[in-house]
Amino acid sequence: SQTIHQWPATLVQPVGSPLSLECTVEGTSNPNLYWYRQAAGRGLQLLFYSIGIGQISSEVPQNLSASRPQDRQFILSSKKLLLSDSGFYLCAWSKGFGNSPLHFGNGTRLTVT
Amino acid sequence: RKEVEQDPGPFNVPEGATVAFNCTYSNSASQSFFWYRQDCRKEPKLLMSVYSSGNEDGRFTAQLNRASQYISLLIRDSKLSDSATYLCVVNRRAGTASKLTFGTGTRLQVTL
Repeated sequence: SQTIHQWPATLVQPVGSPLSLECTVEGTSNPNLYWYRQAAGRGLQLLFYSIGIGQISSEVPQNLSASRPQDRQFILSSKKLLLSDSGFYLCAWSKGFGNSPLHFGNGTRLTVT
Repeated sequence: RKEVEQDPGPFNVPEGATVAFNCTYSNSASQSFFWYRQDCRKEPKLLMSVYSSGNEDGRFTAQLNRASQYISLLIRDSKLSDSATYLCVVNRRAGTASKLTFGTGTRLQVTL
């Protein structure tokens, strides 16, 4: 069966510091990978998605970037965090065909202070 | 207009009650639909897909009306453990990727 791992679970970072969140998927090959963010009391916002190694699509302009160095690895980064980057970050995967649902990792709760 | 709209609730119902949530979507090119459940401070989890003919999974029934562009979820015989936020999700294909748009959710609180 497929599993998705996301870490860390909780992170507190000062404004201006860098960020790196990692996500890996096991048990499937060539998945579609996604990063979502959920601000407190808000809905999920799609940040990035990737259909293959090195292929990243950005949904909204922001202070973040994403990379996919390996088939089942997806990384979310920032060079300098802003207070507005605080939120619940969720990595997800789906099968690379059809109208497939998403399966989420446990999420990272980021607080920028 | 938001791409996916839901009544935020909360819906407060007694145990054993039947409760229904509706959701509307604006993009007629949407191709597939889902209901997710999200517990407080947890990740969303797939509850069920929504098929054109309607589908049922135990106490849960989902319906899709493409003409009116709305989706519904019916929960029968509510349990305390059903308390959560229910997210309506609409999928639009982008090449080989699924671009899922989430509603902001409807909160359900089931009480004794």
